[in-house]
Amino acid sequence: KNQVEQSPQSLIILEGKNCTLQCNYTVSPFSNLRWYKQDTGRGPVSLTIMTFSENTKSNGRYTATLDADTKQSSLHITASQLSDSASYICVVSARGADGLTFGKGTHLIIQP
Amino acid sequence: DADVTQTPRNRITKTGKRIMLECSQTKGHDRMYWYRQDPGLGLRLIYYSFDVKDINKGEISDGYSVSRQAQAKFSLSLESAIPNQTALYFCATSDFAGREQYFGPGTRLTVT
Repeated sequence: KNQVEQSPQSLIILEGKNCTLQCNYTVSPFSNLRWYKQDTGRGPVSLTIMTFSENTKSNGRYTATLDADTKQSSLHITASQLSDSASYICVVSARGADGLTFGKGTHLIIQP
Repeated sequence: DADVTQTPRNRITKTGKRIMLECSQTKGHDRMYWYRQDPGLGLRLIYYSFDVKDINKGEISDGYSVSRQAQAKFSLSLESAIPNQTALYFCATSDFAGREQYFGPGTRLTVT
């Protein structure tokens, strides 16, 4: 069964600090991996999409990495801001499949 | 204006009532999706449609039905609402390649 596991479930850090969120998946055959940011009460918004051949992709202060061999991805946030407080969801797509497999998300809180 | 809109944004209804959630998009995408999000769980796919004549069940379609009235409109119905259908519902769209999904703002549904 295709699964996406994220860790930690929740994280609290001080404004200005860096953090890294983890995603492990068992989706096969792999097509692409996405990281979404979801503000409370809002729909998810895409941060990055990576295919098998990409092992890093940046979007401003967000940098995602992908190791397709170990089936792991990470999302690194640099110099965190209060507006980074949100849930971060890892989503994996299987090649040839119609649906996506969603992780449960990491709830990140940035404290001033 | 938002590319993906959902109505209503919030709804409280009673057990046994029929309710329809509506989704409209201006992105010109063929593919549309309905998801459900519960606290502590990842988004789960209810139904998806790749064009007006193509409707497919997702992971958790029991108790739900959908209608694709036009390329831009995709409605989700609960024929007889029950309390465990209380959740946050999201509509999403994607283009033919399906690499990127764009989510609506969500509908918070409470069934009492």
